Amino acid sequence: GAVVSQHPSWVICKSGTSVKIECRSLDFQATTMFWYRQFPKQSLMLMATSNEGSKATYEQGVEKDKFLINHASLTLSTLTVTSAHPEDSSFYICSARDRGRAGWLQETQYFGPGTRLLVL
Amino acid sequence: LAKTTQPISMDSYEGQEVNITCSHNNIATNDYITWYQQFPSQGPRFIIQGYKTKVTNEVASLFIPADRKSSTLSLPRVSLSDTAVYYCLVGDLGNQFYFGTGTSLTVIP
Repeated sequence: GAVVSQHPSWVICKSGTSVKIECRSLDFQATTMFWYRQFPKQSLMLMATSNEGSKATYEQGVEKDKFLINHASLTLSTLTVTSAHPEDSSFYICSARDRGRAGWLQETQYFGPGTRLLVL
Repeated sequence: LAKTTQPISMDSYEGQEVNITCSHNNIATNDYITWYQQFPSQGPRFIIQGYKTKVTNEVASLFIPADRKSSTLSLPRVSLSDTAVYYCLVGDLGNQFYFGTGTSLTVIP
């Protein structure tokens, strides 16, 4: 259980285009999802917290108009990188918090496999 | 938010037990300790989580002293496939996680 998927797993796009990344919780409901970015040889950096049915909360330094987040259902959150540029090339990872389980482990975050974005 | 400190890297031979210690001096009462494993180009994988004393599951053990200012992840008899980055995170489970540098473990044949 507690499986999180991401689509696509990798994407190559031209500079100036927009790219949408989907994050799905497959076997549980996730009222909260998180989006991270990871550059090579570096740790994960939290970008934003996404709550179902409300606006995302962005971390300091993350442009909300560039990284559009939508969390329309309890199992799906999307991250759209608008007008992507080469510096946006990175590994994007989502996580979801499972609130449906009994016991204290219900709050644990489970991560998706990540999406590799390359902007040419 | 409690800041964590881990060794940047560790090496171990196959078959040995590996202990990775994480310091979190400012841990709060509501904070849990969670460890994740990450392979290159993959999302972090949950390993173990605890609040105090000792927690054991099928892959690892987590030792937490009474003052909770540190924790130790113990991996029994590591194999080459355990080569990965291991992250220690501390936080109130209702809030977001901030990742530290992690520990890059290399298992040597």
